[in-house]
Amino acid sequence: GEDVEQSLFLSVREGDSSVINCTYTDSSSTYLYWYKQEPGAGLQLLTYIFSNMDMKQDQRLTVLLNKKDKHLSLRIADTQTGDSAIYFCAERFTGGGNKLTFGTGTQLKVEL
Amino acid sequence: DSGVTQTPKHLITATGQRVTLRCSPRSGDLSVYWYQQSLDQGLQFLIQYYNGEERAKGNILERFSAQQFPDLHSELNLSSLELGDSALYFCASSEPSGSLIFGPGTRLTVL
Repeated sequence: GEDVEQSLFLSVREGDSSVINCTYTDSSSTYLYWYKQEPGAGLQLLTYIFSNMDMKQDQRLTVLLNKKDKHLSLRIADTQTGDSAIYFCAERFTGGGNKLTFGTGTQLKVEL
Repeated sequence: DSGVTQTPKHLITATGQRVTLRCSPRSGDLSVYWYQQSLDQGLQFLIQYYNGEERAKGNILERFSAQQFPDLHSELNLSSLELGDSALYFCASSEPSGSLIFGPGTRLTVL
């Protein structure tokens, strides 16, 4: 089945690390993605991880994948006010034309 | 700028009307995906086209239809509009990794 869940809201202080979590249900997912959406804007691809990887690091972003628990996380180091946005995880599974199924989104608020 | 273009940016119309949303994928991309984003439903996949042919269908209502033209631009037609159709409509094209690259969206308001 296709179901991707995220917590709705996260608040952190500027300079701290943020960890946004996501759980998915389709074990045949091939790639998992993180997108960022700022107010009034489209979705911006941040990073992605292939399902046979455990971790991927890209500058301030670290993605961890626990395939056994179907758990994906995005860690943002040294969080800045410009990181305030809604973050979506998404999974791509092998059936149905490579569409992505998106989570509910986590609103990250960075406070001074 | 993602390279995916969508017009119009905003659209305000009345219930019962019909509208057409337009999307041009990035140069060289053959796929177009349409998504609807609403407050209560989140991001929902509507339909995908590849090189002019329908590839996958999601939660697209029968009142909605889409097509992709030989120049690869796509149009999403929404008819008999209802208040609940008010949403952001995104199109996207895809990279070889399967990552979707989204356009800026069309905000549809049905009054």
